[in-house]
Amino acid sequence: KQEVTQIPAALSVPEGENLVLNCSFTDSAIYNLQWFRQDPGKGLTSLLLIQSSQREQTSGRLNASLDKSSGRSTLYIAASQPGDSATYLCAVSPTGFQKLVFGTGTRLLVSP
Amino acid sequence: GAVVSQHPSWVICKSGTSVKIECRSLDFQATTMFWYRQFPKQSLMLMATSNEGSKATYEQGVEKDKFLINHASLTLSTLTVTSAHPEDSSFYICSAPAISNTEAFFGQGTRLTVV
Repeated sequence: KQEVTQIPAALSVPEGENLVLNCSFTDSAIYNLQWFRQDPGKGLTSLLLIQSSQREQTSGRLNASLDKSSGRSTLYIAASQPGDSATYLCAVSPTGFQKLVFGTGTRLLVSP
Repeated sequence: GAVVSQHPSWVICKSGTSVKIECRSLDFQATTMFWYRQFPKQSLMLMATSNEGSKATYEQGVEKDKFLINHASLTLSTLTVTSAHPEDSSFYICSAPAISNTEAFFGQGTRLTVV
């Protein structure tokens, strides 16, 4: 059974810092991995999608890497801003059918 | 990107009543949709897979008679929480895969509170 773990569970930093959020999964046989952002009481915003054949994806200040063989992904946030405060979730798709297994989440607080 | 609309965004109901949540794919057809549940301070857990024109597939531990899923068309799936109890209070969210199956699109979620 696929299990997805995220470290740290919570993170509090001052504005401007560069951050690394970690995601690990137990079964390396994944189709793709997605990083999401969830604001309190809200739905999910997709941030980055990495196909299993890819090593990284970038969007603005965000960069996500994938090391499928070791079962790890990292989300790098450059020059963090208070607006980045949210819970960040990673999720893997065991097949190409997009039935996702979510990680435990990292709650990020960026203070001004 | 594709849009998935979920309604209502929040609902409060009395214990023992039933609540229906709708999930629509607005600009694409979805033969499959997924329903997730998120309890406070926990991550999202898959409840069931909704299949257009056939029965839903439920994950282990999810009561199919309590969480009725209907996928009557290629753009609409509904989740009905029957005889709701306070322990059913949760955040429910649906998703639909893109036609290419390369990514999933999520609805806005429904916050259910049973009093």
